[in-house]
Amino acid sequence: GAVVSQHPSWVICKSGTSVKIECRSLDFQATTMFWYRQFPKQSLMLMATSNEGSKATYEQGVEKDKFLINHASLTLSTLTVTSAHPEDSSFYICSARLAGGYTDTQYFGPGTRLTVL
Amino acid sequence: QKEVEQNSGPLSVPEGAIASLNCTYSDRVSQSFFWYRQYSGKSPELIMSIYSNGDKEDGRFTAQLNKASQYVSLLIRDSQPSDSATYLCAVGGTGGGADGLTFGKGTHLIIQP
Repeated sequence: GAVVSQHPSWVICKSGTSVKIECRSLDFQATTMFWYRQFPKQSLMLMATSNEGSKATYEQGVEKDKFLINHASLTLSTLTVTSAHPEDSSFYICSARLAGGYTDTQYFGPGTRLTVL
Repeated sequence: QKEVEQNSGPLSVPEGAIASLNCTYSDRVSQSFFWYRQYSGKSPELIMSIYSNGDKEDGRFTAQLNKASQYVSLLIRDSQPSDSATYLCAVGGTGGGADGLTFGKGTHLIIQP
């Protein structure tokens, strides 16, 4: 149980284009999903917290107009990187929290590797 | 700003021995603590969670938490070559699950056959 999927698993795009990444909880409902980013040789950094039906909360230094997050249902959150640039190339990983539970164990998706040329 | 510190390693341990991984955190009010394993190019995989002071055992893994010292550790008994990976310590907040996690940079563990 507690499986999270991401699509696509990898994407290559040209500078200036937008890329959408989907995160789905397959066998549970997630009121809260999180988006992380990991650059090579570094750890995961929280980008934003996404709550179903409300606006995402962004961490300091993350541009909300560049990284658009939509959490339209209890099983789907999307991250759109708008006007992507090479410095946005990274490993983007989402996680989902099991709704109704007290403990904050997060289940991670397999990640999406974005390369911006 | 919350910080989670880990020794980056690499930590080299002979097969069959005990691997000991350590982590300290800065936010005294943190309530939840996690160890994740991450293989190169993959996303993190949850190994252990711990919320109360003391030890928590799960198979070959034992997590230890000391909130007074702001210290978390992970012991891996009977280490296997497949345990070779980067181990990430992560700390949650006090939001009852609504907070994102703060990760350390990870310790690279190498189990020598």
